[in-house]
Formats: sequence, structure tokens, C-alpha cells
Amino acid sequence: NAGVTQTPKFRVLKTGQSMTLLCAQDMNHEYMYWYRQDPGMGLRLIHYSVGEGTTAKGEVPDGYNVSRLKKQNFLLGLESAAPSQTSVYFCASSPDRILYNEQFFGPGTRLTVL
Amino acid sequence: GQQLNQSPQSMFIQEGEDVSMNCTSSSIFNTWLWYKQDPGEGPVLLIALYKAGELTSNGRLTAQFGITRKDSFLNISASIPSDVGIYFCAGQLGSNYQLIWGAGTKLIIKP
Repeated sequence: NAGVTQTPKFRVLKTGQSMTLLCAQDMNHEYMYWYRQDPGMGLRLIHYSVGEGTTAKGEVPDGYNVSRLKKQNFLLGLESAAPSQTSVYFCASSPDRILYNEQFFGPGTRLTVL
Repeated sequence: GQQLNQSPQSMFIQEGEDVSMNCTSSSIFNTWLWYKQDPGEGPVLLIALYKAGELTSNGRLTAQFGITRKDSFLNISASIPSDVGIYFCAGQLGSNYQLIWGAGTKLIIKP
């Protein structure tokens, strides 16, 4: 099993550009999450999904959109990138509502917005 | 928002030493988790704690869920070079699906 994979690994955008980050998991997990990690801070939840076709806002959702059309994929979109969105983005998944706290993380995407 | 205070921020230790770190909050948590992050990778779950007072081990790592439910502790015995990394605590409040994360403790082994 590959676990949780993220595409791309690195990206540089100019202010105002858009992009989509892809997360895929092959563990048949129900729950998926998008976090951002900034220096000296813990992970902050952007959006999450408790199942195919469902999404919900996390702590810092502004400027991001998500979609979960297939159970194994969770997409994070930036419609108009801003320098404040420079960060490392992590996707995670967890099995079900009993074990939703036990999250498995991808390797991250490092995004720079100029 | 809710905050977890994780300390220390960083630790310089000699190989073979024991390590202790903790997380505290003014809020009551239902679950505490400890993760480790190696450079360039995502966090990996080390230990999950579900009951107040629970003491759980994973090899040389031992974590405890504080009796007050407002804190948790992680101990590493006889540290080795591969213990280097950032250790995060995370907690779950109430019944929502969001974890609250500490800022991390960076473990560095002195050469």
C-alpha cells in the first residue's frame, strides 16, 4: 500500500493564480483532512470530509475550497493565491468514526506564493 | 481558538538520556495523541490515549493522559539518534472531528 500520497510535492505560484492539490489514499478510509503547517505552529485544519460527497470547514477555511467526489481522493483548491497561503500542506486520512483521531499523513506539499 | 501549550519548544540531549515533554490546556480533552514528524515528511502517530489516567507504552516511548484531562506527557527512555525530530501533541475536544495541535517539541541530539 502507498498509504496517503500528495501531488505535487512543490509548487511556486504568483499572487492571484489558482491551483489544485491532490490527495489520494488507498486504505479505504472514510475520513480525510487538509491541514496547513507554518513555522513554529502546530497543524491547522483547513477542511475535512467524513465521507464521499461530503465536506466541512475546519479552523482556517477562508481562501480554500475542497471536493471529495471519490472516496479515495480529496482535492484542495486555491482560487486566487495570496502570499499568506505560503505554507506546507498536509493531507491525512483516518479509518472511520471510531478511529477518526488516528490519522495517517501524506508527505506534504510545499507551496510558495510570490 | 483553543490552544495547547506544548513544552519545551526544543531540547538538546545526549544519546542515552531520557526525555520528557508535555502538553497542557485550560480545556478538558477527550483524547490525546502524540505524533512524530521527521524532516520533509508528514507526522506519524506514536501513541493514542482515550481515558483519563491512561498510561500507554510503545517501545521506549510512554505517554500518559492526565487525570484532570487537561494535560498529557510523553517520555522517551534511552534516546537514540533516530529519535531526532519534532514531537506534536494533539487533542480532541467535545464530539467534533477536529484535532487541536500543539506547536511541537524539537528534539536534537548533541553530537
